[in-house]
Amino acid sequence: NAGVMQNPRHLVRRRGQEARLRCSPMKGHSHVYWYRQLPEEGLKFMVYLQKENIIDESGMPKERFSAEFPKEGPSILRIQQVVRGDSAAYFCASSPDRGHSPLHFGNGTRLTVT
Amino acid sequence: AQSVTQPDIHITVSEGASLELRCNYSYGATPYLFWYVQSPGQGLQLLLKYFSGDTLVQGIKGFEAEFKRSQSSFNLRKPSVHWSDAAEYFCAVGARGGGNKLTFGTGTQLKVEL
Repeated sequence: NAGVMQNPRHLVRRRGQEARLRCSPMKGHSHVYWYRQLPEEGLKFMVYLQKENIIDESGMPKERFSAEFPKEGPSILRIQQVVRGDSAAYFCASSPDRGHSPLHFGNGTRLTVT
Repeated sequence: AQSVTQPDIHITVSEGASLELRCNYSYGATPYLFWYVQSPGQGLQLLLKYFSGDTLVQGIKGFEAEFKRSQSSFNLRKPSVHWSDAAEYFCAVGARGGGNKLTFGTGTQLKVEL
């Protein structure tokens, strides 16, 4: 499967724990976007990364959230000390360039904080 | 700041009937416009996009959309709906030069009656 791979599909965390979400972009894609979908809402942009660089993190909450896209391996979205309001579907998308080439979305990670 | 409004949260149509999903955007210049479809438990798939040129855009699965600058609208249409079209549809706007940092609407849930 050469599509965008996200894991895990479902993640349950207790309040205060850390959540780590992984995203492997499509082969040949070096640009990764993370979006969050809260219940009954559309997707909200969080962060845009290129290999080893954060290009735009204007949609990331200032605290507890971080993202990386190392030279080797998947992109990681990390949420520290999760709270119930973090419960959402987190989608990763990739593209081959910085322009408007179509985004390819993964199937998402559904985070539930209990 | 750009924004997208999808006024219809739910729409039900009979199979074979025509479909129009509404989308209004707010953006200071000529935007990039997109329609995505999301099936349950899946990521988003691009249906079509408008960047410039012909204001009537053809997409996949028999969908089309028309950009109307005077109405700030980008409505999605299909002449004859199939049961497999049941899904959630998202309109999105992107800024020129903003890459794939998109602003999504809250979505329209389409139900198809057989």
